[in-house]
Amino acid sequence: AQTVTQSQPEMSVQEAETVTLSCTYDTSESDYYLFWYKQPPSRQMILVIRQEAYKQQNATENRFSVNFQKAAKSFSLKISDSQLGDAAMYFCAYPSGYALNFGKGTSLLVTP
Amino acid sequence: NAGVMQNPRHLVRRRGQEARLRCSPMKGHSHVYWYRQLPEEGLKFMVYLQKENIIDESGMPKERFSAEFPKEGPSILRIQQVVRGDSAAYFCASSPVAGSGQTQYFGPGTRLLVL
Repeated sequence: AQTVTQSQPEMSVQEAETVTLSCTYDTSESDYYLFWYKQPPSRQMILVIRQEAYKQQNATENRFSVNFQKAAKSFSLKISDSQLGDAAMYFCAYPSGYALNFGKGTSLLVTP
Repeated sequence: NAGVMQNPRHLVRRRGQEARLRCSPMKGHSHVYWYRQLPEEGLKFMVYLQKENIIDESGMPKERFSAEFPKEGPSILRIQQVVRGDSAAYFCASSPVAGSGQTQYFGPGTRLLVL
């Protein structure tokens, strides 16, 4: 079974600082996509960033970027200049067929 | 452009009752996915539907759960004879086309509480 592992149940970062959330996955496919979703206290699932595995360049969306290491099957999310509004659960997801397989999430706390 | 709509946002049922959860996909999206999130867990896939067709229900419990996406109207996730273990958040997502690279856009979820 394909799995997505987020090894950090909780992380804390000070406002304006940088934090990195880790994610590893298991697949035998060569071409695929990876996603990070954010779930704030409202519990709405919000897409943060998407990475295409065949692209060498790491995806970037404003303050959010990924460190994608295909050989290591690692897909970490870097949040720069952290803001209070970044506090949320962050889920890494990998498609399997039509479904998205989600990790168990990392709870990010942002302190003033 | 309205996002994915789900209603109700909160639903309370007593054991043995039926729960009906509705999902209207984003405009132009004909692919709908249902997920369940238990407390302290990530989302788990339940079922994928296109208009009038169930394509993949591999994550759906075999009994009491059913889903439909009629030609007209929202997608419905139906849970018959609810039990306390059905208490969870149920999320609907939609996409314009199907495929492993397609971004799925999520609704706000329905929180089901079974008393």
